[in-house]
Amino acid sequence: EVQLVESGGGLVQPGGSLRLSCATSGFIFSKSPMAWVRQAPGKGLEWVSTISVNGDDRRYADSVKGRFIISRDSSKNTVDLQMNSLRTEDTAVYYCVKDAYGSIDYWGLGALVTVSS
Amino acid sequence: DVVMTQSPLSLPVTLGQSASISCNSSQNLVHSDGDTYLNWFQQRPGRSPRRLIYKVSKRDSGVPDRFSGSGSGTDFTLKISRVEAEDVGVYYCMQGTYWPPWTFGQGTKVEIK
Repeated sequence: EVQLVESGGGLVQPGGSLRLSCATSGFIFSKSPMAWVRQAPGKGLEWVSTISVNGDDRRYADSVKGRFIISRDSSKNTVDLQMNSLRTEDTAVYYCVKDAYGSIDYWGLGALVTVSS
Repeated sequence: DVVMTQSPLSLPVTLGQSASISCNSSQNLVHSDGDTYLNWFQQRPGRSPRRLIYKVSKRDSGVPDRFSGSGSGTDFTLKISRVEAEDVGVYYCMQGTYWPPWTFGQGTKVEIK
């Protein structure tokens, strides 16, 4: 059974930093691109970032480019999202997702990030 | 970026009746490999999204056959036959042909009349 479990969410002030981590199991992590998708309160879904199988290709939404960094550790089967210079508009539930080449086949439970003073 | 437009945004349905959700893309979603990467997701209240349909019409394992996807090019439809109470939630279409970024429709809220 595929499991994606996010951790690291919480309350942070504008301009601050937060690091999300996603622990994965149930599939061959080293063969799967991974991504993050977020959902602001009461709003729709927005793709944030994707990392390739070996980590050498990282893509970001324009809204987070230059502020967020995605990484992966194949020894631990984890994918992280380092979020810097956070803004109030970054407030959202962040989902770790398994990239299925043009699709998303599994979603995590989500981690709530609240940016507020 | 490809814009995905869903209609309606709110869909009250009667139990046992059928429901259809439309999704229109601003570009033809046929990839150079010949596949069309159009997906449908269901998000029940308070839950994470779950994929129902991928590549326009391929149903995921465990998804009831009441759910079906169709369409081509820029126009796609998700049909729910014989709506049940557990189908309440928000449904999103998503394109994966032109990436980055993946883009989603605004969501269609399905509720029981």
